[in-house]
Amino acid sequence: GAVVSQHPSRVICKSGTSVKIECRSLDFQATTMFWYRQFPKQSLMLMATSNEGSKATYEQGVEKDKFLINHASLTLSTLTVTSAHPEDSSFYICSARKGDKDTEAFFGQGTRLTVV
Amino acid sequence: GQNIDQPTEMTATEGAIVQINCTYQTSGFNGLFWYQQHAGEAPTFLSYNVLDGLEEKGRFSSFLSRSKGYSYLLLKELQMKDSASYLCAVMDSNYQLIWGAGTKLIIKP
Repeated sequence: GAVVSQHPSRVICKSGTSVKIECRSLDFQATTMFWYRQFPKQSLMLMATSNEGSKATYEQGVEKDKFLINHASLTLSTLTVTSAHPEDSSFYICSARKGDKDTEAFFGQGTRLTVV
Repeated sequence: GQNIDQPTEMTATEGAIVQINCTYQTSGFNGLFWYQQHAGEAPTFLSYNVLDGLEEKGRFSSFLSRSKGYSYLLLKELQMKDSASYLCAVMDSNYQLIWGAGTKLIIKP
């Protein structure tokens, strides 16, 4: 199978600071990675799609200057939540696909962000 | 617009059978997925259907009717560990996943 590793699994930060979340595909090259946010008792909300070597495509309503996404290599994408506020507290999940039309998405373990 | 509908919550008894339905309206279709998600964890893949019919995998089966825009996930011999949310997702013509809101399944002894 394909393994996606997400780090950290939990993070608590102070309001106003920035937090970086890493998503790595361990045994395959991921041309496309997706970042989701999930609030309690709600489904996954796609935040952005990142393709290796190009700028991320953000969904409507997601601030690209606040949620910085970098997909510098075929095995690593990062999401940085800048100037975090308590309302940014959520469960952030990444997923990766091997190819543009590859059907299955492989998920990271998720990151529980709490901003105090 | 694109829409995925599934029940918000279902309750079933340990050892019984439960069917979770999903209806969809999307721009194109490149397959339907079912994922299981336990609270506080990332989703895990259960099944993928792209052709009409029933796919059986152990205690879990998934059915698809493309003409009706309909799928169901069938769980047999329910166990307490099956208590989770079950997410239906459709891959549209752009190979993007459109997610349903999830069905919370509660298993009672």
